[in-house]
Amino acid sequence: QKEVEQNSGPLSVPEGAIASLNCTYSDRGSQSFFWYRQYSGKSPELIMFIYSNGDKEDGRFTAQLNKASQYVSLLIRDSQPSDSATYLCAVKGDSNYQLIWGAGTKLIIKP
Amino acid sequence: DTAVSQTPKYLVTQMGNDKSIKCEQNLGHDTMYWYKQDSKKFLKIMFSYNNKELIINETVPNRFSPKSPDKAHLNLHINSLELGDSAVYFCASSQVQRAQYFGPGTRLLVL
Repeated sequence: QKEVEQNSGPLSVPEGAIASLNCTYSDRGSQSFFWYRQYSGKSPELIMFIYSNGDKEDGRFTAQLNKASQYVSLLIRDSQPSDSATYLCAVKGDSNYQLIWGAGTKLIIKP
Repeated sequence: DTAVSQTPKYLVTQMGNDKSIKCEQNLGHDTMYWYKQDSKKFLKIMFSYNNKELIINETVPNRFSPKSPDKAHLNLHINSLELGDSAVYFCASSQVQRAQYFGPGTRLLVL
């Protein structure tokens, strides 16, 4: 059974600090990795994807992928209260169509 | 606006009733999905269609029947609704191997 694990949190981070969210996956053959943000009562929204080992930056967000250790992380710099949400990690499995989803980490940014 | 849209947004109904949820995407994607998100917020894939063909059919009661009249539409019909069907149902779409984009969700409450 292919799995994606995330700490459910809540992860509490002071405003302006760096929030670090982690995700591990079981399928060593996984190729594509996605981070989604879900505000309470809203739908998941794609914020980043990463395919290659290393870092990928987009504004205040950095995705980091380490295939050897089978983890992917999301860093949020200069955290804002508006970043408070649940962050979902998703990994493309064997199927071209199916994503394997983590249960999400709830992030709280304290003013 | 280019998007994934779902109707209705809210659905409150009695046990035993039959109901349908509709989904449309104008992103030009070839793959569409139905997800169920329960009170614990875990996203569970139910079905996926690629070019109108059913390609993912997870362990879902036979009371749930998807239908894709064309690449841009994916509907979900639910027969004999039960209390445990209460959840948020999300439609999503993607190109093969690419990120999935979600509709706003349909909040179903079975009384």
